[in-house]
Amino acid sequence: KNQVEQSPQSLIILEGKNCTLQCNYTVSPFSNLRWYKQDTGRGPVSLTIMTFSENTKSNGRYTATLDADTKQSSLHITASQLSDSASYICVVTNTGGFKTIFGAGTRLFVKA
Amino acid sequence: GAGVSQTPSNKVTEKGKYVELRCDPISGHTALYWYRQSLGQGPEFLIYFQGTGAADDSGLPNDRFFAVRPEGSVSTLKIQRTERGDSAVYLCASSLGGFQNNEQFFGPGTRLTVL
Repeated sequence: KNQVEQSPQSLIILEGKNCTLQCNYTVSPFSNLRWYKQDTGRGPVSLTIMTFSENTKSNGRYTATLDADTKQSSLHITASQLSDSASYICVVTNTGGFKTIFGAGTRLFVKA
Repeated sequence: GAGVSQTPSNKVTEKGKYVELRCDPISGHTALYWYRQSLGQGPEFLIYFQGTGAADDSGLPNDRFFAVRPEGSVSTLKIQRTERGDSAVYLCASSLGGFQNNEQFFGPGTRLTVL
């Protein structure tokens, strides 16, 4: 059972454009949600973390939102750059079992 | 070191062989995690160490997989009688404390190919 679902699976955009990636989760009880960026051949790197009481968090051109009621999160990338081409992974941690569940990721391709 | 390191970066082995994958966490990080990542998928949890002990090994797929962290620092993931389905990237991560709000810092992974 996949408790973290991401969409779209892949996305192609032109350099300079904005995009939004989606994450829906059913992990409960909820502790925190992170967005990671994973470049090809590398380990994931954390972009943002949000706890239950936070509904938005920014890191440069990356802005994450969280709706804990609907269990949805989004990652918005502004003015995309070629270096934004990567997989973006939504990760949810629960409080009860101390489990960290990774989504399958969205593969973003930024074209010149 | 500055970050989590993993060796080897690539490992090719034959079906039925034994392999060991090594992880050097960030100095001072008490928590260490092993994940397995197949192509096009997110990392899949295998095992979590707090210090020297395995706090959660529920992600290990079967008894061919075993991991140790004898001195609470370096960890070794051991796979016996490898199968073609074991082919994946094995990621290691470390954090200052347990899961909760502590950021996990990932190594570059070891790409295991079982022929």
